[in-house]
Amino acid sequence: KAGVTQTPRYLIKTRGQQVTLSCSPISGHRSVSWYQQTPGQGLQFLFEYFSETQRNKGNFPGRFSGRQFSNSRSEMNVSTLELGDSALYLCASSLAGTGGSQHFGDGTRLSIL
Amino acid sequence: EDKVVQSPLSLVVHEGDTVTLNCSYEVTNFRSLLWYKQEKKAPTFLFMLTSSGIEKKSGRLSSILDKKELSSILNITATQTGDSAIYLCAVGLNYGGSQGNLIFGKGTKLSVKP
Repeated sequence: KAGVTQTPRYLIKTRGQQVTLSCSPISGHRSVSWYQQTPGQGLQFLFEYFSETQRNKGNFPGRFSGRQFSNSRSEMNVSTLELGDSALYLCASSLAGTGGSQHFGDGTRLSIL
Repeated sequence: EDKVVQSPLSLVVHEGDTVTLNCSYEVTNFRSLLWYKQEKKAPTFLFMLTSSGIEKKSGRLSSILDKKELSSILNITATQTGDSAIYLCAVGLNYGGSQGNLIFGKGTKLSVKP
């Protein structure tokens, strides 16, 4: 069974640009959560999608947005990039999402110059 | 605000040593406690503990949940260099919110020296 797939693996952008990251969950998983991981803050929750609906949202500015498609694949978009957005962005999928185990992808390493 | 605290933040041991990693939590809608191991890439799932399963063991790794003390420990016996990683503790909630369904601690970085 294929795991969670995130693309691209690495991205380099400059301030002010926008970026879109993609996540394909494990087959059958309907919940997709996104996290930002930095050395100082650890894993911080961005948002969760379940059956194409945003179910929870973290405390991030509106520049961070996402969506989920009918096949459960999810995308995350960050507009007007700032230096502080440099991080590893992780996507995790689970069957139902609530409180159970989540399976992570390898992440997208985003660097802002 | 719900929170998960891990200690120590980092630990250096020698091969063959036994280590104990700690995790404590303060949350309002506890459902589960999970341990993950993160090397260079994706966190990989180790254990999930709930009220109905407070002790888990897999090979040299074991974990116990203490619901009274709101804490958990992860034990690794006979450590190997391949155990070097960041160990993440997360608490699963019955109802997610602005912190999501899983709240993570900052992790314990374990380095095992040959």
